Amino acid sequence: ETGVTQTPRHLVMGMTNKKSLKCEQHLGHNAMYWYKQSAKKPLELMFVYSLEERVENNSVPSRFSPECPNSSHLFLHLHTLQPEDSALYLCASSQDLPGVVSLDPYNEQFFGPGTRLTVL
Amino acid sequence: DAKTTQPPSMDCAEGRAANLPCNHSTISGNEYVYWYRQIHSQGPQYIIHGLKNNETNEMASLIITEDRKSSTLILPHATLRDTAVYYCIVKNYGQNFVFGPGTRLSVLP
Repeated sequence: ETGVTQTPRHLVMGMTNKKSLKCEQHLGHNAMYWYKQSAKKPLELMFVYSLEERVENNSVPSRFSPECPNSSHLFLHLHTLQPEDSALYLCASSQDLPGVVSLDPYNEQFFGPGTRLTVL
Repeated sequence: DAKTTQPPSMDCAEGRAANLPCNHSTISGNEYVYWYRQIHSQGPQYIIHGLKNNETNEMASLIITEDRKSSTLILPHATLRDTAVYYCIVKNYGQNFVFGPGTRLSVLP
């Protein structure tokens, strides 16, 4: 496997369910990100992890709980979601460390294919 | 908020060059211009980035004006598979990417 992978690719869940989204990066990157993309809206940054520590939480409701057990894996645990949480959830990774100025010009983010989440 | 403005949509004939403009009049000296694209319901894909000089790779060319207040992404020979939303993003190292609404490019047969 290469790049950034996400599982599952599609998920349908009820409002009382608990589920988890998984992201894995095979690029040796130091930072990982969760984004949400609702219909007809730009990507919204949710969480940022740098060297396995959460460095940013953009006012995301507590029903979304991220976990980064190591630099290659990122999870998004979901519980008691609302129908308006239905969206495409994207994971990304980068070599660039958030908040650190780097001389490396190749610090673009690599995105996974996303998980299409539907909350009924 | 995104620091760039792009037209919401553009059409391009297949085989012709697609020129996608981006305004970033408040760009600072250390900020790079990045371009990504997102094909329907997939993750965004990196295309190219630059600071001052024009850049070219196997996917596209990036032309940045001398005052750096605007840039143009050029797809030299657009194909139907280039139909996507194209995002122009300005950021410095260590900053987060902030995605705006982008330009929806439709390549027409």
